Amino acid sequence: QQQVKQSPQSLIVQKGGISIINCAYENTAFDYFPWYQQFPGKGPALLIAIRPDVSEKKEGRFTISFNKSAKQFSLHIMDSQPGDSATYFCAASMGDKIIFGKGTRLHILP
Amino acid sequence: EPEVTQTPSHQVTQMGQEVILRCVPISNHLYFYWYRQILGQKVEFLVSFYNNEISEKSEIFDDQFSVERPDGSNFTLKIRSTKLEDSAMYFCASCILNTGELFFGEGSRLTVL
Repeated sequence: QQQVKQSPQSLIVQKGGISIINCAYENTAFDYFPWYQQFPGKGPALLIAIRPDVSEKKEGRFTISFNKSAKQFSLHIMDSQPGDSATYFCAASMGDKIIFGKGTRLHILP
Repeated sequence: EPEVTQTPSHQVTQMGQEVILRCVPISNHLYFYWYRQILGQKVEFLVSFYNNEISEKSEIFDDQFSVERPDGSNFTLKIRSTKLEDSAMYFCASCILNTGELFFGEGSRLTVL
C-alpha cells in the first residue's frame, strides 16, 4: 500500500521530442505528489509537484498530469533537451512520510 | 540560496566500525530526513525527525542506526557497526513544513570494506 510504481526504468528520446514517465500509487491517503530530478553525483532536486485536487500542473516545459480515480500521475517533458538527461523520481507523500518510485533514467539524444 | 550541506562527501570504513554522517539542514526548516541510495537504485526512506524526535522510520532503520540533533544546526546519522550492505549514498533532506518539498544535500558516499 505504501509503494509507488514508476515506469519505464529507462527512456531514450530524441532532442525536441516528448518524454513521458508514469507513476501509480495505491494509498489514497497520499496528498502530495512531487517529481525530483537527479543528476549523477548530486542529490535529488524538486522539479514540480501537484496536489490531488487538480488534474494538471504546468511549469515551463514540464507538466504533471494527475488521474485521481486511476491513482496515476505522469510527468511530460516537452521539447526535451540533452540537458534534461537525468534520473527522474516520482514520489508520494502524506504528512512527513515521502515514498519514492524506483526512478527513470532519461537520456535525450542530441 | 540556502542549501543542505553534508559531510563527509565520501567515507571508507572497515566492516564493524562505527560511522557518523553529518548534515546541516536549511536553517528555518523543521523536518529532517535521511535517505539512502544504493548505486543506481531507488531512493530509500530511512527516518524522519521532527521536534527532536523520530517521527517515522523504515524497516531498514534498525537498532544499528540512530539519529541525533545535538545542537541547533547539525543532524547526524550514526551507524554503530557497519555491514557491507550499508555501502550506499546517504542523503540528508529537510523541509520547512511536512510536505513532500524536500531539499536534499549532495550526499555522503559510504563504502564499507
